[in-house]
Amino acid sequence: LAKTTQPISMDSYEGQEVNITCSHNNIATNDYITWYQQFPSQGPRFIIQGYKTKVTNEVASLFIPADRKSSTLSLPRVSLSDTAVYYCLVGGYNKLIFGAGTRLAVHP
Amino acid sequence: DGGITQSPKYLFRKEGQNVTLSCEQNLNHDAMYWYRQDPGQGLRLIYYSQIVNDFQKGDIAEGYSVSREKKESFPLTVTSAQKNPTAFYLCASSRGQGNSPLHFGNGTRLTVT
Repeated sequence: LAKTTQPISMDSYEGQEVNITCSHNNIATNDYITWYQQFPSQGPRFIIQGYKTKVTNEVASLFIPADRKSSTLSLPRVSLSDTAVYYCLVGGYNKLIFGAGTRLAVHP
Repeated sequence: DGGITQSPKYLFRKEGQNVTLSCEQNLNHDAMYWYRQDPGQGLRLIYYSQIVNDFQKGDIAEGYSVSREKKESFPLTVTSAQKNPTAFYLCASSRGQGNSPLHFGNGTRLTVT
């Protein structure tokens, strides 16, 4: 099972771009990379998913280099409401392992 | 709106009692999951089910039991054998194929004293 490594915490200010990098050296050929966001006392919420190169949706972008051993979640112009824990997961639907995630704090 | 409903949001029990947490989904998803989350920690997989009447143990299944009699329901029983049952319990579902993302409920916070 692919294990992921993320920074434990990050700080940012409103209006800045935030990039959270996840390392997954043992990613398998068929594995996708998925990011979730979790607010206190709520279930995680799907943000974005990708396999290679770049994926963008209305809330974030995901950058995946050619070797797929890492990925970077990019949050443009964060606001206070983006303060949350962000999880990077690698794998299929039946072998998803959640690490401790990255605790992002956005300051005014 | 489609989604996952977990009830109740807060649950209190005395030590030694079994307790069942409810999880219902109307997303027509095949797969359902139970996770446990302790303060400041990530999620750990307790059980998952890919189809009705079938389920598999996750990483921390000891002291828990589940059933999957209906596609939309996946109740979790926390038994008295679970040594540290106080935690935040999250139910999720997915289409159960390939890279299908998980959809989570809003959790049940169980406190056992």
